[in-house]
Amino acid sequence: EVRLVESGGDLVQPGGSLRLSCAVSGLIFRSYEMNWVRQAPGKGLEWISNISTSGIRTRYAEAVKGRFIISRDNAKNSLYLQMNSLRVEDTAIYYCASGRSCINDLCDDDMFFRRWGQGTLVTVSS
Amino acid sequence: DIQITQSPSILSANIGDKVTITCRASQSIRSWLAWYQQAPGKAPHLLIYKASALESEVPSRFTGSGSGTEFTLTISSLQPDDFATYYCQQYSTYPWTFGQGTKVEIK
Repeated sequence: EVRLVESGGDLVQPGGSLRLSCAVSGLIFRSYEMNWVRQAPGKGLEWISNISTSGIRTRYAEAVKGRFIISRDNAKNSLYLQMNSLRVEDTAIYYCASGRSCINDLCDDDMFFRRWGQGTLVTVSS
Repeated sequence: DIQITQSPSILSANIGDKVTITCRASQSIRSWLAWYQQAPGKAPHLLIYKASALESEVPSRFTGSGSGTEFTLTISSLQPDDFATYYCQQYSTYPWTFGQGTKVEIK
């Protein structure tokens, strides 16, 4: 069974920092690109970041570029999101989600989100 | 960024009804579109990818169609578990973007 389990969500003041983690089991983690997707309370889904299988290539939505850093540890089957300079508008449930699979630098076309965690809530408020 | 316009925002229907949700992209995304279902308080769940490919273990009453800029998700006969919010997502071009969502509620 594939499981993605996020942790690290908390209440933080504006301008503060937080690090989210996502522990993955049941799939060959190092072979999958990974993503973070967030959902503000009562709102829709927003993709915010993607990381390649090796961790060398990262992509960000404009809303978080320069403030958030995505990373991964393939030895620990874990994905991370370092969130800095947090704003009230960053308040959301943060989901980790699996992306496409890549073997020997050859990747499939499946750049949608097949597997999701249950999410972790980040609240930015004074 | 590619904008995705999803309609309707809310859809009221009865068990057994056939319902259709539409997504329009601001430019061609070929067939690079996925559909997700999100039950209240739960994570999204993949239903359809590549516009029309049914994800494993998803009931066949869900059908996706379209290409280019116009796409539809059809539920042939609504079941109790289908009352949820549905999102489409384009993965043609970064940043990947979602439609605003369609809440399917009981009439």
